[in-house]
Amino acid sequence: GAVVSQHPSWVICKSGTSVKIECRSLDFQATTMFWYRQFPKQSLMLMATSNEGSKATYEQGVEKDKFLINHASLTLSTLTVTSAHPEDSSFYICSARITDRAKNIQYFGAGTRLSVL
Amino acid sequence: SQQGEEDPQALSIQEGENATMNCSYKTSINNLQWYRQNSGRGLVHLILIRSNEREKHSGRLRVTLDTSKKSSSLLITASRAADTASYFCATHNFNKFYFGSGTKLNVKP
Repeated sequence: GAVVSQHPSWVICKSGTSVKIECRSLDFQATTMFWYRQFPKQSLMLMATSNEGSKATYEQGVEKDKFLINHASLTLSTLTVTSAHPEDSSFYICSARITDRAKNIQYFGAGTRLSVL
Repeated sequence: SQQGEEDPQALSIQEGENATMNCSYKTSINNLQWYRQNSGRGLVHLILIRSNEREKHSGRLRVTLDTSKKSSSLLITASRAADTASYFCATHNFNKFYFGSGTKLNVKP
């Protein structure tokens, strides 16, 4: 089956530093990847759609300068939380969609728990 | 949530019983999918139902879709302790996926 690897699984950082989270599709190519944020006991909130070779599409209310997304290859998208603050602490999850559009199924990474001190 | 609501928010049952959770959504859809999330982990795809389908089965899972009411239900039959997790519906429209608020299922052994 399709596997999506997300790294790191847990990161603790000081306020003001930047944190990069990687999302890789291991056995398939993904022209489109998605980044979500999940607060405790809540649902996933779509933050942005990452498109290979072009700019990401951000959802309303998500600061693109705060959450930098790069999708430089068909198997890798990165999310950088710039100048992180305690309110950015959350669970971030990426997903990738198989390029075959008939299969509109997302495959999810295991998530990254970010704690900003 | 960005798309809709699920109910109940939490459900506790005994092993062997059936579990039913419902999802309502707001906009037109191409398909609706159900996912499972174990605590602190990513999501696992369970089943997809297209907008022109009314019912679908997969093992112990049964999903229904009523597009006129913009609602779906997930039935897990003969539940097991290992089914304990949060379950989310997700709607797919215009190349985006939106998740419901989720149902936290606890199956007691």
